[in-house]
Amino acid sequence: AQKVTQAQTEISVVEKEDVTLDCVYETRDTTYYLFWYKQPPSGELVFLIRRNSFDEQNEISGRYSWNFQKSTSSFNFTITASQVVDSAVYFCALVIQGAQKLVFGQGTRLTINP
Amino acid sequence: DGGITQSPKYLFRKEGQNVTLSCEQNLNHDAMYWYRQDPGQGLRLIYYSQIVNDFQKGDIAEGYSVSREKKESFPLTVTSAQKNPTAFYLCASSIARGPRDEQFFGPGTRLTVL
Repeated sequence: AQKVTQAQTEISVVEKEDVTLDCVYETRDTTYYLFWYKQPPSGELVFLIRRNSFDEQNEISGRYSWNFQKSTSSFNFTITASQVVDSAVYFCALVIQGAQKLVFGQGTRLTINP
Repeated sequence: DGGITQSPKYLFRKEGQNVTLSCEQNLNHDAMYWYRQDPGQGLRLIYYSQIVNDFQKGDIAEGYSVSREKKESFPLTVTSAQKNPTAFYLCASSIARGPRDEQFFGPGTRLTVL
């Protein structure tokens, strides 16, 4: 069975600080996909990134970066120079090849204080 | 604009009543999904549909029913058999008939049982 663990339930930082959201996953399959979604206070989830299991290159998109390490089964998300607009709940999710559903972590509530 | 709409945004139900949550998409996506979100938990899959007139149970289908008579519509009925229906319900769609592609989410419906 697959599992995603986001051990940090809540994180609170001051604006402009860097913050890392942890995601650890479990699967025995060799082909799988990992996702990060953002859920702002408005409620809808917004797609941030997808990474397949064969691509361990780190990704950077503006202030966002992702560190995928198969050796530790982790797919961590870092926000550099955080802003108040980054305040949201962030979900990490996993799907294995051929499966029909995403497995979500419990989410991390990130609060950026001005 | 293309996207997913859910209505109503807030819904109140008396115990013993069935209620139907609407989900419509104009993205021409094949696949649609219904998730339930409880406080402090990740999303759990209720039902999904990969094609018109076909749908499959997710992890927590008991007490729910769906239909997929049109590609753009995937309504969810919460029946009186659902013992604890108070939750936030999210509808999503994706272009492909599987979850490995990005899912687009609606704004959600918050259901409260009185």
